[in-house]
Amino acid sequence: AQTVTQSQPEMSVQEAETVTLSCTYDTSESDYYLFWYKQPPSRQMILVIRQEAYKQQNATENRFSVNFQKAAKSFSLKISDSQLGDAAMYFCAYRGPNNAGNMLTFGGGTRLMVKP
Amino acid sequence: ETGVTQTPRHLVMGMTNKKSLKCEQHLGHNAMYWYKQSAKKPLELMFVYSLEERVENNSVPSRFSPECPNSSHLFLHLHTLQPEDSALYLCASSQYLGRAYGYTFGSGTRLTVV
Repeated sequence: AQTVTQSQPEMSVQEAETVTLSCTYDTSESDYYLFWYKQPPSRQMILVIRQEAYKQQNATENRFSVNFQKAAKSFSLKISDSQLGDAAMYFCAYRGPNNAGNMLTFGGGTRLMVKP
Repeated sequence: ETGVTQTPRHLVMGMTNKKSLKCEQHLGHNAMYWYKQSAKKPLELMFVYSLEERVENNSVPSRFSPECPNSSHLFLHLHTLQPEDSALYLCASSQYLGRAYGYTFGSGTRLTVV
């Protein structure tokens, strides 16, 4: 079974600084998808960024970017110019190849605190 | 509003009660999911429905009973729960089962079993 590990239960960053959240996963598949979700105090899980494993280029969405290391099975999230609104729980998630049997598997989450 | 609405937002129930959680989406999605989020544990997939048919049940105790009357509504019926069932229950939907993206989550129901 696939597993997703987030080794940092909590992280803090100064406003306007950069922070990197770590994620590793275990899979025997070569084609899969990785995601970062944000869960603010409102509790709604919001998709931040996604990466297809067959793409070598790292995904970027505005201030959010990933460092995808396929061989190392590592998928870290970098948040640049951190803002107070970035404070939330962040979950890394894995999904296998496109077929009906594959669902999202989540890591345990990292709580990000942003200091003004 | 995300497009996936869950009610109630909070629920406190005794171990002998029967209650139901409701999830509704009008995004035109065909797949719906129930996840359990407990403190200090990864999200756990409980049930998956595709076109109103259950396609996965991850060994969930029978005191949890899902129902999907149509592609827009999903219920989780609860009876004789245990205190360890206290958690945040999240509903999600996606356009199709077996596709990589497009999970839309609701804001969850915070359940406390006393």
